Amino acid sequence: AQKVTQAQTEISVVEKEDVTLDCVYETRDTTYYLFWYKQPPSGELVFLIRRNSFDEQNEISGRYSWNFQKSTSSFNFTITASQVVDSAVYFCALSRPRAGANSKLTFGKGITLSVRP
Amino acid sequence: AAGVIQSPRHLIKEKRETATLKCYPIPRHDTVYWYQQGPGQDPQFLISFYEKMQSDKGSIPDRFSAQQFSDYHSELNMSSLELGDSALYFCASSLGRGFNIQYFGAGTRLSVL
Repeated sequence: AQKVTQAQTEISVVEKEDVTLDCVYETRDTTYYLFWYKQPPSGELVFLIRRNSFDEQNEISGRYSWNFQKSTSSFNFTITASQVVDSAVYFCALSRPRAGANSKLTFGKGITLSVRP
Repeated sequence: AAGVIQSPRHLIKEKRETATLKCYPIPRHDTVYWYQQGPGQDPQFLISFYEKMQSDKGSIPDRFSAQQFSDYHSELNMSSLELGDSALYFCASSLGRGFNIQYFGAGTRLSVL
């Protein structure tokens, strides 16, 4: 069975602070993908990043960066110099291979990030 | 760029009524997924389709059915609605199977009274 754990439920920071959202996953598969999605107050789910299990290179996109460590089964997400617009629920998700079938996403419980001005 | 379109955005139904949710995937996307997100919960996979065939099934009640049509749009039919069906229903689409990125629509918020 696969599982995604986001132990932090709510985080509140002041604008311009850096914040890290933790994600720990469990899977027996050697091939899998990890994702982060953002759900702003308007409700839609916005794709942020996908990382495969063979690529442990960290990634940076503007103020966003991701740290993938297979040794600790973690895929953490850092927002640098947070802004009010970053306020949202952030979901980490896992996808594993299924022969002859689509790869559904298994989500964590989500982390509610509030950025105060 | 065109995104996943879901309609209606909001739906209010009474118990025991039926509801139909529609999803129009991103052009050229051949795979559709349905997820249900209860209040304060994470999205839960319901069902998926690839090339108009059901591909995978999650925790979808027997009262629900879905299909994907020749133009790749999909409909989720829900009958004998219960209070517990109140949720945000997401449709996502991807190009092909496997680990392709799933792009989500804005969701349909269903309220059962």
